[in-house]
Amino acid sequence: AQKVTQAQTEISVVEKEDVTLDCVYETRDTTYYLFWYKQPPSGELVFLIRRNSFDEQNEISGRYSWNFQKSTSSFNFTITASQVVDSAVYFCALSEAYGQNFVFGPGTRLSVLP
Amino acid sequence: EADIYQTPRYLVIGTGKKITLECSQTMGHDKMYWYQQDPGMELHLIHYSYGVNSTEKGDLSSESTVSRIRTEHFPLTLESARPSHTSQYLCASSDLGSTSGNTIYFGEGSWLTVV
Repeated sequence: AQKVTQAQTEISVVEKEDVTLDCVYETRDTTYYLFWYKQPPSGELVFLIRRNSFDEQNEISGRYSWNFQKSTSSFNFTITASQVVDSAVYFCALSEAYGQNFVFGPGTRLSVLP
Repeated sequence: EADIYQTPRYLVIGTGKKITLECSQTMGHDKMYWYQQDPGMELHLIHYSYGVNSTEKGDLSSESTVSRIRTEHFPLTLESARPSHTSQYLCASSDLGSTSGNTIYFGEGSWLTVV
């Protein structure tokens, strides 16, 4: 069975601090996809990134970076120099490559204080 | 950028009323979903569809029903709303093709309050 764990329920940081959101997953599949979504207070879930299980290269997009490590089954998300607009709930998710299962983690609420 | 639209965005209705939440996507995606979510909490899959004339119940039991008569349209209906139905309802879609990696794209959500 697939499972996604986000152990951090809530995180608060002060603006300009760096923050890492943890994501640990479980799957028996050898081919799968990992995702991060952002949900601001408006409620919409915004797709941020998708990683293929065969591609362990870290990715950077502006202030956002993702660290995928198959050895520890983790897909962590770091925001550098956080801003108030980064305040949101962030969801990590896992999908089978060829099946139909798509599993979300419980989410981490990030509050960035001015 | 996802093109998936939900109406209404916000709705307050009385107990016992019938309500239909509309969802349309212009991406030609085969699979569509309805999730129920209390603000900032876990997402609960309540319905999904693989394509036209296909509807399946999700992980969370729901008194709502859905239909899929057209690929782009996936409305959700509550025959008799109750205060326990107060929540945010998120419609989503994905392409079953492997090139998309099963990425799910979401609409802006419909906030339902039953009084």
